[in-house]
Amino acid sequence: GAGVSQSPSNKVTEKGKDVELRCDPISGHTALYWYRQSLGQGLEFLIYFQGNSAPDKSGLPSDRFSAERTGGSVSTLTIQRTQQEDSAVYLCASSPGTSKGSKQETQYFGPGTRLLVL
Amino acid sequence: GEDVEQSLFLSVREGDSSVINCTYTDSSSTYLYWYKQEPGAGLQLLTYIFSNMDMKQDQRLTVLLNKKDKHLSLRIADTQTGDSAIYFCAESIGGTSGTYKYIFGTGTRLKVLA
Repeated sequence: GAGVSQSPSNKVTEKGKDVELRCDPISGHTALYWYRQSLGQGLEFLIYFQGNSAPDKSGLPSDRFSAERTGGSVSTLTIQRTQQEDSAVYLCASSPGTSKGSKQETQYFGPGTRLLVL
Repeated sequence: GEDVEQSLFLSVREGDSSVINCTYTDSSSTYLYWYKQEPGAGLQLLTYIFSNMDMKQDQRLTVLLNKKDKHLSLRIADTQTGDSAIYFCAESIGGTSGTYKYIFGTGTRLKVLA
């Protein structure tokens, strides 16, 4: 079946504008994750969803960042009043479930959205 | 604290074997993963190993796990130019509410010379 998809693939915006990034997980996957990858850096965890709820928001860098998930499927990550340091690749991943110690943990990644804030 | 470390760069000649190393700190990890990221692309799951295993082989890939030293390695046999990419090591550890989260290393950039 289809993998994780993200849109847009590229986004250029001006400092101070709001942006919305979208993630479509693999059908049937209950867990969804957002990560940020800055140029030449590893992955920074932002938030994860189990169903529509977000038990762990610990990685959100500031209150300008928010995310929601509806219908246990599509998720949107919103960045308000964007700053130049928000420029990065935003990656989404999904997994079948989140029970510790099972293969349900394996995460499958989308291609990412490349955000450039001018 | 939770930390996963990798060397930043590795360069090998085509046809040679590549060994990418990773160390982690959390002994409660259940699964350990290797992901590959090609330029401009997302992360592709290569392989994973359950924490009670020592070795896993999958075609040209061999994963070795030393739990005592908290050391994970990925060996790529007969390395090809198409293997040039960034390789990320990740561990899954207990998160909030009985669930888990991933901790990623910074990635090792593998360059294969023709």
